[in-house]
Amino acid sequence: KQEVTQIPAALSVPEGENLVLNCSFTDSAIYNLQWFRQDPGKGLTSLLLIQSSQREQTSGRLNASLDKSSGRSTLYIAASQPGDSATYLCAVRPVARAGSYQLTFGKGTKLSVIP
Amino acid sequence: NAGVTQTPKFQVLKTGQSMTLQCAQDMNHNSMYWYRQDPGMGLRLIYYSASEGTTDKGEVPNGYNVSRLNKREFSLRLESAAPSQTSVYFCASSKDSFSTGELFFGEGSRLTVL
Repeated sequence: KQEVTQIPAALSVPEGENLVLNCSFTDSAIYNLQWFRQDPGKGLTSLLLIQSSQREQTSGRLNASLDKSSGRSTLYIAASQPGDSATYLCAVRPVARAGSYQLTFGKGTKLSVIP
Repeated sequence: NAGVTQTPKFQVLKTGQSMTLQCAQDMNHNSMYWYRQDPGMGLRLIYYSASEGTTDKGEVPNGYNVSRLNKREFSLRLESAAPSQTSVYFCASSKDSFSTGELFFGEGSRLTVL
């Protein structure tokens, strides 16, 4: 069974710092990996989607990488801002016999950027 | 740009009552999903609809029913609510349910069962 782990569970950094969030998964048979942001009391906002054939994706100050063979992805946030404070979740879409409908989510890393 | 819209946003029920959570998307997506999010458990799939006219069970379907009313709308029904169903419910949609589908979420419905 696919398991997705995000370490650390919480992270606090000063404003302006570059930071890396980690996501690891146990089964490398995936179609893609998606990073989300969740603000308190809100839904999940899609940040980046990396297909299994890709190594990285970039959007503004965000860069996500994928090493499928080692079961790892990282989300790099450059020049962090207080507005980046949120919980960041990753999810993998597995290659499954019965279809790939069921994403497996990590439990998230809660990021606090201190002004 | 509405995206995925859920109603109601908050609901309090007594044990045994029934209710329906509504979800609509305006992105012309084929696939829709219902998740629940609980502290320490993460997001778990309740039911999904790969395309209009089809529905299938996810990881935690017991106590729930769904209806894919049309391509836009996917509802989740609790027939006899239990305290264990206190949770935050999210509806999501994707262009399709195959390999490349990026998932988009609604704002969530917070349900408390007393």
